[in-house]
Parts: sequence; structure tokens; C-alpha cells
Amino acid sequence: KAGVTQTPRYLIKTRGQQVTLSCSPISGHRSVSWYQQTPGQGLQFLFEYFSETQRNKGNFPGRFSGRQFSNSRSEMNVSTLELGDSALYLCASSLTGTRWGNEQFFGPGTRLTVL
Amino acid sequence: AQTVTQSQPEMSVQEAETVTLSCTYDTSESNYYLFWYKQPPSRQMILVIRQEAYKQQNATENRFSVNFQKAAKSFSLKISDSQLGDTAMYFCAFMITGANSKLTFGKGITLSVRP
Repeated sequence: KAGVTQTPRYLIKTRGQQVTLSCSPISGHRSVSWYQQTPGQGLQFLFEYFSETQRNKGNFPGRFSGRQFSNSRSEMNVSTLELGDSALYLCASSLTGTRWGNEQFFGPGTRLTVL
Repeated sequence: AQTVTQSQPEMSVQEAETVTLSCTYDTSESNYYLFWYKQPPSRQMILVIRQEAYKQQNATENRFSVNFQKAAKSFSLKISDSQLGDTAMYFCAFMITGANSKLTFGKGITLSVRP
């Protein structure tokens, strides 16, 4: 089975721009979660989608948004980029999500640099 | 709110020796899961071991085992017969079940295995 894939792997943007990151979960997995990883704040939960619905959201501003499609693929969008948005963005998929303690399988991440 | 604390930022161990990584957490929930994730330099996050809070028996996976002390809210990872491939960042993570479930990570610990 193919693992979680994320595209693009690297991205360089300038302040004020917007960006869209993509995540394809493991086949059959219906839940996708997104995390931001920075040296200062560590790993922080952004949101979780299950069957095209946002099920939970972390403490991030409204500039961070996401969606999930009927094939479970998910996209994350960040508008009006700030320097502090530079991070590794990880997505993780699981069969039915975090509600029942399912194991989350992580993708390789997208490294976003904001100049 | 749930918090996960990994107080040791770095550790080093000689190849073939045993090392223990510490983790404490804080929660008022009774149903939850605990995880140790490994993130090698390649950045792909991998699940090392998983523990259900309702199980008293400590989880083991080959050379990896945990010491789960529920009353003390402690969840340490023991790596036996350390190998060079164990060099990585290790994250302790906590997940409550239910509607507001999400993975909460500690800051991580960098483990170096010396040849």
C-alpha cells in the first residue's frame, strides 16, 4: 500500500502571498489531520477532516483553512502569508480518525519558507 | 487542556546500550492513548509504540518498551540494544478520544547513538 503523500515537498513564498498544500492519504483512510512543526513551537495541531467535514480545529488564525474531497484527499490553504508561517507542514491519515485512538500515519511533509 | 512534557532536550547513548526517554503528561481525562513517534533526519514521522490508558500492561515492540505509570502520569520509552538507525528525534504524544480528540505532542528529544 502506498503511504501518505504530500505535494509539493518544498515551497518558497513571499509575505502576503497565499499557498495551497496537498495531502493524499493511504487508500481507505477517511481521516486527514494537519500539523505545523517549527523549532520554537514544536508540533501543533491545525485541523482534522473526516468524510469531507472538519471535525476538530486547533488554535490557529482564520488564515489557515482546509478542505477534504470525496476521495479523502485534503488541501490546506494559508492566506496572507507571514514570516512566522515558515514551517514543516505534516499531514497524517488514519482509518477513522483520532476519536478512537487510531494510529496516524504521517506523510513526509511540505517545507514552506516565507521570505 | 492536555499537556505533554519532555524535559530532556538531548540524549546520547553508545551503540548496543539501553537508553530511557522520559515523558510526563497532564490530563483530567480517563480515556486516552499515549504514543511515541520517531522522526529521523529524513523527517518522516514513524510510530514507535502505542499504549492504551485502560491497559495496565506496558506495551512492547521488539527493542522498544514503555513504562506506563498512570497515577504518576508518566510514560517513558526504553530502547534496548541501541542501533545507529535509532538516531532521531523522539516525540511523546497524547490523544484523548471523543469529539475533541487530537494528538498533542511534547517538544521532542534528540537521541544520538554513538558507534
